[in-house]
Amino acid sequence: GESVGLHLPTLSVQEGDNSIINCAYSNSASDYFIWYKQESGKGPQFIIDIRSNMDKRQGQRVTVLLNKTVKHLSLQIAATQPGDSAVYFCAETLFSGGYNKLIFGAGTRLAVHP
Amino acid sequence: GAVVSQHPSRVICKSGTSVKIECRSLDFQATTMFWYRQFPKQSLMLMATSNEGSKATYEQGVEKDKFLINHASLTLSTLTVTSAHPEDSSFYICSASPEAGDYGYTFGSGTRLTVV
Repeated sequence: GESVGLHLPTLSVQEGDNSIINCAYSNSASDYFIWYKQESGKGPQFIIDIRSNMDKRQGQRVTVLLNKTVKHLSLQIAATQPGDSAVYFCAETLFSGGYNKLIFGAGTRLAVHP
Repeated sequence: GAVVSQHPSRVICKSGTSVKIECRSLDFQATTMFWYRQFPKQSLMLMATSNEGSKATYEQGVEKDKFLINHASLTLSTLTVTSAHPEDSSFYICSASPEAGDYGYTFGSGTRLTVV
């Protein structure tokens, strides 16, 4: 189930199930989106990206869906494994001051139970 | 692939002292570097953007005199937290990009700063 913690919502899933992590972004002009995985005490690790001219992109065990109409992004993880337990962030690019800045969403903690 | 090294990984300092964090791109030249701060159980918040050879651009609410950024070369950026206080304790993460308009963002492993 999904619950809201002090700051980060948590998604708990059973090992082997599929996980869906959702994200709402704010900038309608964003044209590039990235999903990151962050383990405790480490920097963000790239998972998958998608450009705004696409609505779906698949990687190994992961799929990203983009709905520009409602400014919604989702990450689907197939056959979730204990090693997938981490915090997941979506990020959108914002062109400001001459730079493509990467702005992070709130994040979701994924807890995989055996 | 692109690798960004961040040093130190952990630092404890006394209140009132300054701490320098280094961010290096190991196998590419990083025209642009970004510095983020992350408090426990929260997201990464962009602090500033720096371009080699020019002054850093700070996000709203970030004190430029407190968080000094020097993009010394195409492979090194430093963040100095001056006169650190306990509320500056946080996880600081850098990101490097080969070009200002490029979408290739590579992150360092972060620096855990604890001010006592």
